[in-house]
Amino acid sequence: GAVVSQHPSRVICKSGTSVKIECRSLDFQATTMFWYRQFPKQSLMLMATSNEGSKATYEQGVEKDKFLINHASLTLSTLTVTSAHPEDSSFYICSAVSTGPAGNSPLHFGNGTRLTVT
Amino acid sequence: AQKITQTQPGMFVQEKEAVTLDCTYDTSDPSYGLFWYKQPSSGEMIFLIYQGSYDQQNATEGRYSLNFQKARKSANLVISASQLGDSAMYFCAMRPNNQFYFGTGTSLTVIP
Repeated sequence: GAVVSQHPSRVICKSGTSVKIECRSLDFQATTMFWYRQFPKQSLMLMATSNEGSKATYEQGVEKDKFLINHASLTLSTLTVTSAHPEDSSFYICSAVSTGPAGNSPLHFGNGTRLTVT
Repeated sequence: AQKITQTQPGMFVQEKEAVTLDCTYDTSDPSYGLFWYKQPSSGEMIFLIYQGSYDQQNATEGRYSLNFQKARKSANLVISASQLGDSAMYFCAMRPNNQFYFGTGTSLTVIP
């Protein structure tokens, strides 16, 4: 089955520093990757959609200068939380979908990154 | 507008019993996919089952089955013979194009 690897799984950083989270599709090419944020006991909140070789599309209310997304290849997307603050502490999860007609490919998720900003 | 609704924030089921988790959706796209995911307390999202909008038969995967009623725009997940390890959050999702839309989730607790 399709595997998406996300690293790191946990990270603790100091306020003001930047954190990079990597998301890799291991056995398929992901033309599109999605980045979600999840608060405790809530659903996934889509932050941005990342297409290989183009700029990410951010959802309303998500600061693109704070959450930098790069999708440099068909197997790698990165999310960098810049100048992190305690309110950025959350669970971040990436997902990828392989090419194919609309509707018939599931979204494959990484295991998520729990970010704690002190 | 695309919309996914899960009306059950929490559900309880006795071990070995069956349970149905509700999901309704709304889309104007004629072609779409419906998915269910399980999220245990560890956080990973586990893909469970898929139903295509043109599929004539309800999807089944082991103890999971999807009760797809297209006219009612519902895609309920049925878990048979519940196990303690089934306790988790369950999310319904819809993919009408290259976007995925998630419901708010249902927390399932299996009682021994």
